[in-house]
Amino acid sequence: NAGVTQTPKFQVLKTGQSMTLQCAQDMNHEYMSWYRQDPGMGLRLIHYSVGAGITDQGEVPNGYNVSRSTTEDFPLRLLSAAPSQTSVYFCASSTKRTNTGELFFGEGSRLTVL
Amino acid sequence: AQSVTQLDSHVSVSEGTPVLLRCNYSSSYSPSLFWYVQHPNKGLQLLLKYTSAATLVKGINGFEAEFKKSETSFHLTKPSAHMSDAAEYFCVVSDSDDYKLSFGAGTTVTVRA
Repeated sequence: NAGVTQTPKFQVLKTGQSMTLQCAQDMNHEYMSWYRQDPGMGLRLIHYSVGAGITDQGEVPNGYNVSRSTTEDFPLRLLSAAPSQTSVYFCASSTKRTNTGELFFGEGSRLTVL
Repeated sequence: AQSVTQLDSHVSVSEGTPVLLRCNYSSSYSPSLFWYVQHPNKGLQLLLKYTSAATLVKGINGFEAEFKKSETSFHLTKPSAHMSDAAEYFCVVSDSDDYKLSFGAGTTVTVRA
């Protein structure tokens, strides 16, 4: 079972560059989300989607774009990378509303912006 | 508004001794509460969840947590720590249907041989 797959696992960018973090799930989950993890701050929600064609902002959306053209894929785009976006990014999915269901996480993408 | 506070940033225990990770929450409604575990360089995995059923919740790997509404707490315990329990643990709260969870800052558990 692949579950939630994130690529790349590691990436180094220069300030101002753009890139896309890929996320794919093979569990037919309707709900997908992106979080960033920073030391001492837990996980913070960036964007989420409740189905194909539907996305919404989370707690820290600035500087990031998302789209959901298929149920399986939920890419996260950094438009113009900044050092403040150095973080570990996690994609997560769920078959239910997140206040009752289990979130399934990818293994993370570690991004460094110089 | 919902929020969660993990009272210890780091807990160190000896193998075979009990583990206690403390979590207090703030919620305007009847909350759902979760504990997730993250092993080094891995994603998060659900340990257990409370969703308004039994107040004592049993999870995987021998962990359990008790929901105490009067104390707004959801502490995680395990009677006997194992070396494989060394990880970071997150308490998570959700009190609404808007798909937004609030994560605590995390507690790092170290297990001494």
